[in-house]
Amino acid sequence: EIVLTQSPGTLSLSPGERATLSCRASQSVSSNYLAWYQQKPGQAPRLLIYGASSRAADIPDRFSGSGSGTDFTLTISRVETEDFAVYYCHQYGYSRDTFGQGTKLEIK
Amino acid sequence: QVQLAQSGAEVKKPGASVKVSCKASGFTFTSDDIEWVRQATGQGPEWMGWMNLNSGKTYYVQKFQGRVSMTRDTSTTTAYMELSSLRAEDTAVYYCARYRPEIRNGFDIWGQGTMVTVSS
Repeated sequence: EIVLTQSPGTLSLSPGERATLSCRASQSVSSNYLAWYQQKPGQAPRLLIYGASSRAADIPDRFSGSGSGTDFTLTISRVETEDFAVYYCHQYGYSRDTFGQGTKLEIK
Repeated sequence: QVQLAQSGAEVKKPGASVKVSCKASGFTFTSDDIEWVRQATGQGPEWMGWMNLNSGKTYYVQKFQGRVSMTRDTSTTTAYMELSSLRAEDTAVYYCARYRPEIRNGFDIWGQGTMVTVSS
């Protein structure tokens, strides 16, 4: 099983600042099948990024994903108030899916 | 509109079973997979397994093998997840999500979640 470790656990930023979230895998993620999700309280996760760097439909371009192999990053270029939430990474595609434990993005 | 609509909250006693439904609409039901994910309060998501809606083929995480069953009814475009021998640690929100194996674009559509509480 691939273990995904997200850092930091909590990120405190002000609106307009840049957010950088990390996801490190215990072994190489096949074909970079790595996704990022946003989750707000009481809601289901929402797909932001798939294939490590492709934005899902209707996701603003301030969200971007990068990385390969074992190190992946989600960047929010300028955080807006609606972006404060928990973010999860997820490796998928070969019937051994796992999720990270999450990074909480909170208002500073 | 592409969506997955799940059944309502359940309260079960230890040892009982629960069956959660996930009705699909707005897309070709037999083109994709349905994944099941659960999330305990304050925890990250936990993947449980998948079902191919065309063939009915399933894959279950070893942790749940022997206790979980994923099925579907193509006539009503509904997928089901049944979990048996419930224990307190099964208390969680259970989600269904769509995965398109031909596109491999992650879990792009999620149900609203079904809260399952296991308590004596």
